[in-house]
Amino acid sequence: GAGVSQSPSNKVTEKGKDVELRCDPISGHTALYWYRQSLGQGLEFLIYFQGNSAPDKSGLPSDRFSAERTGGSVSTLTIQRTQQEDSAVYLCASSGQGPSYEQYFGPGTRLTVT
Amino acid sequence: GENVEQHPSTLSVQEGDSAVIKCTYSDSASNYFPWYKQELGKRPQLIIDIRSNVGEKKDQRIAVTLNKTAKHFSLHITETQPEDSAVYFCAPALSGTYKYIFGTGTRLKVLA
Repeated sequence: GAGVSQSPSNKVTEKGKDVELRCDPISGHTALYWYRQSLGQGLEFLIYFQGNSAPDKSGLPSDRFSAERTGGSVSTLTIQRTQQEDSAVYLCASSGQGPSYEQYFGPGTRLTVT
Repeated sequence: GENVEQHPSTLSVQEGDSAVIKCTYSDSASNYFPWYKQELGKRPQLIIDIRSNVGEKKDQRIAVTLNKTAKHFSLHITETQPEDSAVYFCAPALSGTYKYIFGTGTRLKVLA
C-alpha cells in the first residue's frame, strides 16, 4: 500500500513568515511522529501523536512550533515567524502497532528560511 | 530523560571486512532496540531490531546484540559491501511510551 507522504517536498520562505508542513501517515497507523534533521545531523524528536492526542510536547523547540492531527490521520506541523535556524528537513513517521514497533518514514520536507 | 550515544561517529572499512557500531543508553526501562539506516538523501529505514527478552538477533549479514546490564546494544555488519555505506542510527524506545530518542548517528563508509 501507499507509504507515508509529506508535502511540500521543498519549501523556501522568508524569515518571519509562517509555514505549514503536512504529513499523511500510512492508513490505519495510530502513532505519528515529527522529527527535524539539520544538514549532516541526527534526528531531533519534536512530537508524537497517539490518535489525535499529543501527550508529550516537550520536544518542540519553541512556542513558535505547533502541531495537530485530525481524524487520527493527517497531521500538520506549523512554524510561526520562521527563523533561519529553522532551516532543516522535517521528517514524519508513522507506526501502526503501538509503542516499540517499526516507524515508517516519509520523504521529508526540506525547509529553507532565507 | 534518555541519553543515547553512538560510537564511533564515523567508520571506514574495506569491502569484505566487518563493522561494529555501539549504542549506549541511560534508561534501564528501555525495552525495544532498533537500528535504522539512512542513505544519502533518503529517508531512514529500519534494518533490524531486538527486544529486551532476546540477547541477539541475526538477519543475513547484519546482527544486533543487546547487553541490558551494561545498557548498550551493537550493530554488526559482516562482509561489508559498498551499498552498506550510509548513516546508521540507534533509537532505544522507552517502555510504555511512544517516545524515541535517536542516537547521533554513525557514518559508515565501505571502501571498494
